[in-house]
Amino acid sequence: KQEVTQIPAALSVPEGENLVLNCSFTDSAIYNLQWFRQDPGKGLTSLLLIQSSQREQTSGRLNASLDKSSGRSTLYIAASQPGDSATYLCAPLPDNFNKFYFGSGTKLNVKP
Amino acid sequence: GAGVSQSPSNKVTEKGKDVELRCDPISGHTALYWYRQSLGQGLEFLIYFQGNSAPDKSGLPSDRFSAERTGGSVSTLTIQRTQQEDSAVYLCASSFSLLYEQYFGPGTRLTVT
Repeated sequence: KQEVTQIPAALSVPEGENLVLNCSFTDSAIYNLQWFRQDPGKGLTSLLLIQSSQREQTSGRLNASLDKSSGRSTLYIAASQPGDSATYLCAPLPDNFNKFYFGSGTKLNVKP
Repeated sequence: GAGVSQSPSNKVTEKGKDVELRCDPISGHTALYWYRQSLGQGLEFLIYFQGNSAPDKSGLPSDRFSAERTGGSVSTLTIQRTQQEDSAVYLCASSFSLLYEQYFGPGTRLTVT
């Protein structure tokens, strides 16, 4: 069974800081990895999807990296804003098309 | 364009009753996924559908849970004889095909009293 760990569980930073969210997974047999954000009481919004053959993927102020062999992914958020406050989830998608596992998330609070 | 929609948004039911949750995926998406999220917990995968293939039901938490997808589009998740531990937010997602980017609906909050 895939185990997905996200560190830290919670993070509070002042506006403008650059920050890194970490995701680690135990089974490196993945097809791709997706990062999501979840706002309170809402569904998940896709942020980035990085293929297993890629090392990085960028969208605006977000940059995701993937080291499949070591079972790690990081999400870098540049110049954080209060609107970035949400819970961030990672999901390594298995290449056996079996089950789908999510991390428990990092709850981010960006203070004005 | 229209995103994934789910209905109802909220459902309160008495223990022992059956409930049916509905998911309308994005048009043209062949893959559809069901998850549930209990209070303060992470997402738990339940089942996925890909095209017309028979789904793997091993992720469903008990035999009281069933899911179907008619005509490769709308899906329903049915919970029979609901229990209090079934209380959770049930999320549906769809993607162009299996393992493509998943798009989530807003969820159905189920409360079993």
